[in-house]
Amino acid sequence: DGGITQSPKYLFRKEGQNVTLSCEQNLNHDAMYWYRQDPGQGLRLIYYSQIVNDFQKGDIAEGYSVSREKKESFPLTVTSAQKNPTAFYLCASRETTGGKTDTQYFGPGTRLTVL
Amino acid sequence: QQPVQSPQAVILREGEDAVINCSSSKALYSVHWYRQKHGEAPVFLMILLKGGEQKGHDKISASFNEKKQQSSLYLTASQLSYSGTYFCGTVSGGSNYKLTFGKGTLLTVNP
Repeated sequence: DGGITQSPKYLFRKEGQNVTLSCEQNLNHDAMYWYRQDPGQGLRLIYYSQIVNDFQKGDIAEGYSVSREKKESFPLTVTSAQKNPTAFYLCASRETTGGKTDTQYFGPGTRLTVL
Repeated sequence: QQPVQSPQAVILREGEDAVINCSSSKALYSVHWYRQKHGEAPVFLMILLKGGEQKGHDKISASFNEKKQQSSLYLTASQLSYSGTYFCGTVSGGSNYKLTFGKGTLLTVNP
């Protein structure tokens, strides 16, 4: 089955530790995205990548880092510099057909709790 | 700039209708609607392109008013399964694709 997988579903970390969230897709999509979701805030863009070995900051990139070494993988690292990392993190991907009607599809999410 | 959704929340009885609005201060190229159940991934419902088209998905339809830069999602004869948070995402004019989401509308359908 084609889709986007994120692991783990729930993640706990101690304050001051870095943690990496996994995102894998087998849809052969070029573009991948990371969003953060907080109650009542909607979806806010952290980082995105439109092609392998290239990525750009979104609206709330501070305290986060990413890499895009393979087309199917876009891991997100939440660093100790992120002041309030507890949130629901969603990965998405999009097939880039060159138009602005492309649809983004989301993975199941990872809920990160900092203790 | 984030689109504005209204209302923030709505409670319905099964079989009732609802309308959710999504407005932007920017000129829009497209509007994307998603539904999210608690703790799950947002699920794509439909996309509206500028030109005022209307689309349907089951008993859920949507329209796009280009003059007002507003899209409306219509839920007709609501079912329990319609409960969830509805998000609109907007893509503005210009050369880049950037999907910006509203804060969501929580829809609760009761028996």
